[in-house]
Amino acid sequence: DSGVTQTPKHLITATGQRVTLRCSPRSGDLSVYWYQQSLDQGLQFLIQYYNGEERAKGNILERFSAQQFPDLHSELNLSSLELGDSALYFCASSASPNPGNEQFFGPGTRLTVL
Amino acid sequence: GESVGLHLPTLSVQEGDNSIINCAYSNSASDYFIWYKQESGKGPQFIIDIRSNMDKRQGQRVTVLLNKTVKHLSLQIAATQPGDSAVYFCAEPLGTSYDKVIFGPGTSLSVIP
Repeated sequence: DSGVTQTPKHLITATGQRVTLRCSPRSGDLSVYWYQQSLDQGLQFLIQYYNGEERAKGNILERFSAQQFPDLHSELNLSSLELGDSALYFCASSASPNPGNEQFFGPGTRLTVL
Repeated sequence: GESVGLHLPTLSVQEGDNSIINCAYSNSASDYFIWYKQESGKGPQFIIDIRSNMDKRQGQRVTVLLNKTVKHLSLQIAATQPGDSAVYFCAEPLGTSYDKVIFGPGTSLSVIP
């Protein structure tokens, strides 16, 4: 158990809809990272927050957004969903702003868009 | 450019044998690499890392070798066990502050009992 929690575990929705994925980092970790894992794209970095502020951006679509709250939990919002958004979404956390070897991954949320 | 790739998508190994998982990278300036293990239904888990000032680093039953001349690294698992069955990713933190991590496509290791 990494100490990172993600909810929900599974999510099934329809195209055009909007969903919110939630992540609670390990106790004391200030950084939260979001990744998308799909069969054709592999594990892709989306975005990082550190202590409430956006720190780094990866291959995140404009339809996706994220935020980190004062209690350090984070939410990833996915809107206007398309079939291709079906994937596993992982959250990871670390104590420092640099991912390096301190990154701990949650169990993921499996999103299915029908 | 940002590219981290693996030579083989799948690898089957007999229990007790050694496993070798390979990874190639394209940026000669790359200076830090990480290996992750992802078991079925779980998120990736850090195994071992290596910086470019080293050629070899050993952990518990794992060894990572870095060949900067040919831009290649490998993960060696000694006495492979059924619990080693997983997908293994090489990853490279990028940016001046290692702001983001680029993952390779992964190699699926199956251990035959």
